[in-house]
Amino acid sequence: NAGVTQTPKFQVLKTGQSMTLQCAQDMNHNSMYWYRQDPGMGLRLIYYSASEGTTDKGEVPNGYNVSRLNKREFSLRLESAAPSQTSVYFCASSRPTSYEQYFGPGTRLTVT
Amino acid sequence: GENVEQHPSTLSVQEGDSAVIKCTYSDSASNYFPWYKQELGKRPQLIIDIRSNVGEKKDQRIAVTLNKTAKHFSLHITETQPEDSAVYFCAASIRGNSGYALNFGKGTSLLVTP
Repeated sequence: NAGVTQTPKFQVLKTGQSMTLQCAQDMNHNSMYWYRQDPGMGLRLIYYSASEGTTDKGEVPNGYNVSRLNKREFSLRLESAAPSQTSVYFCASSRPTSYEQYFGPGTRLTVT
Repeated sequence: GENVEQHPSTLSVQEGDSAVIKCTYSDSASNYFPWYKQELGKRPQLIIDIRSNVGEKKDQRIAVTLNKTAKHFSLHITETQPEDSAVYFCAASIRGNSGYALNFGKGTSLLVTP
């Protein structure tokens, strides 16, 4: 099992550019999550998806969109990147009968 | 969203001493409280969790206590070792429109000095 995988590992964007962060899990988990982590701010929830076809906003959804493509994949899109979106992005997943979340390795995004 | 407050933000202890990190939450519907450890440049990893029907849980040198009435929970690490140095996050479950998620505290940077 690869667990939760994320691509890319690193990305540099210019202000206004768009990109999609990819996340996949092979643990047959129902729920998937996107967080951003900034120094001193902990992990803040952007969006999550309890199952294929459903998504919910988290604490900081502005400037992001998500797609739950299928049970395995949950992507995060930045339509017009801003310097305030410079962060480390973590994807996570959890089983339907458990709250425990398993995290991916993260994507370090810099917007200049 | 509902807040999770975590204290202290930094903690320095000598090897062998105990470390205590405290969190409070505001959502009375929260019923799951995990603790994650994150080493520099790595992903967060679950180290212990507790559910609302339990007051205390222990796993070797790590223990968590929960006071649902006061809405606070704590992480206790005994006999600390240098490899315990990391950032620790508490979290509380929240219920959204379609499922559950976690609200995280801002983290405690623990340094264990030999």
